[in-house]
Amino acid sequence: DTEVTQTPKHLVMGMTNKKSLKCEQHMGHRAMYWYKQKAKKPPELMFVYSYEKLSINESVPSRFSPECPNSSLLNLHLHALQPEDSALYLCASSQGPGEAYEQYFGPGTRLTVT
Amino acid sequence: ELKVEQNPLFLSMQEGKNYTIYCNYSTTSDRLYWYRQDPGKSLESLFVLLSNGAVKQEGRLMASLDTKARLSTLHITAAVHDLSATYFCAVVPSGTYKYIFGTGTRLKVLA
Repeated sequence: DTEVTQTPKHLVMGMTNKKSLKCEQHMGHRAMYWYKQKAKKPPELMFVYSYEKLSINESVPSRFSPECPNSSLLNLHLHALQPEDSALYLCASSQGPGEAYEQYFGPGTRLTVT
Repeated sequence: ELKVEQNPLFLSMQEGKNYTIYCNYSTTSDRLYWYRQDPGKSLESLFVLLSNGAVKQEGRLMASLDTKARLSTLHITAAVHDLSATYFCAVVPSGTYKYIFGTGTRLKVLA
């Protein structure tokens, strides 16, 4: 099974809402990633979890809060977002942290903040 | 500042033609990845290049890596419409696990 799943596929939320994005993989990968991608731009790294611990936070605003409950699950909690946060949010996983490992991407969650 | 630049940014080509996309990066790394992204979709891994001089081929696409020149190429042979997509390279600077994506090349193959 080489699949990374993400839910929901689409999400529309108001600026006062709280919502969560979910990512799951069952490949035994020990590194998981959140990316944000705006239209016609490359993905931008947000967070990296390595062995269930947050190892990289790319200065992401606190209205985005990641969580890794176990080695297969990665959540992104959203609160008080701004319209400019509307984007495609991609989750990825790799066998381990480090440059040698190929990343597998999920299908993404398309987020619209109204 | 770390830069990963691709050129061209946009490429419109006729079916049957050959072309090369370039990926230049400004950091030390001997790992480079190529991805394809269709509109509204996620990223699909195409090639993983893990050493200087690495060359990989799949169908009409061939990727190579020159770590000394900090350059990777993605060569398209006899393009077909199905290759129309955006292609990204990504570099992981040595000693880190930050995947830094290039600017992307939007390819359109005209029938």
